[in-house]
Amino acid sequence: AQSVTQLDSHVSVSEGTPVLLRCNYSSSYSPSLFWYVQHPNKGLQLLLKYTSAATLVKGINGFEAEFKKSETSFHLTKPSAHMSDAAEYFCVVESNSGYALNFGKGTSLLVTP
Amino acid sequence: KAGVTQTPRYLIKTRGQQVTLSCSPISGHRSVSWYQQTPGQGLQFLFEYFSETQRNKGNFPGRFSGRQFSNSRSEMNVSTLELGDSALYLCASSPNTGERPEAFFGQGTRLTVV
Repeated sequence: AQSVTQLDSHVSVSEGTPVLLRCNYSSSYSPSLFWYVQHPNKGLQLLLKYTSAATLVKGINGFEAEFKKSETSFHLTKPSAHMSDAAEYFCVVESNSGYALNFGKGTSLLVTP
Repeated sequence: KAGVTQTPRYLIKTRGQQVTLSCSPISGHRSVSWYQQTPGQGLQFLFEYFSETQRNKGNFPGRFSGRQFSNSRSEMNVSTLELGDSALYLCASSPNTGERPEAFFGQGTRLTVV
């Protein structure tokens, strides 16, 4: 079964410093992978997706992620954190049963002034 | 283009009651899926509908059910509510065209069971 593991439940960075949110996946085939963000009391917003095209995926708001098959990783990065980036981030893999998404437990990103 | 709309945004129900949540997908999207989000279990898939047919169901008891109408709007129903059903219920729609399209989520319905 397809699954993802987010390696950090909480990450704290200073405004203006790089962001790294780590995600490893488990899949029997080349999966579709996504990163979603959830701001407090809001729904989920898609940041970016990987669907077997380019391994470096650029998303919205300056985020990007690199698919590394050899390491089964799909880490999310941003060169410079902004206060508005503070939110919960979810790494997501498409389920092999079809038409469903399997979510990681989430990483809470705190950005300090 | 309007996003995914879920109603109501907040609900308070008593144990044993039943509840119906509604979801209007993005115009043109024919796939609607539902997820439950709780602090303990995170985000879990409930079910997915396409053209009024359930194509996939998550590991939830039969008290959780859903349906989709011909205009792609969807409802989910929870009967005999339990305290543990308190959660944020999220609906997502997808165009179901092209390779592995992403899901677009609504803001959710916050259900509190007392």
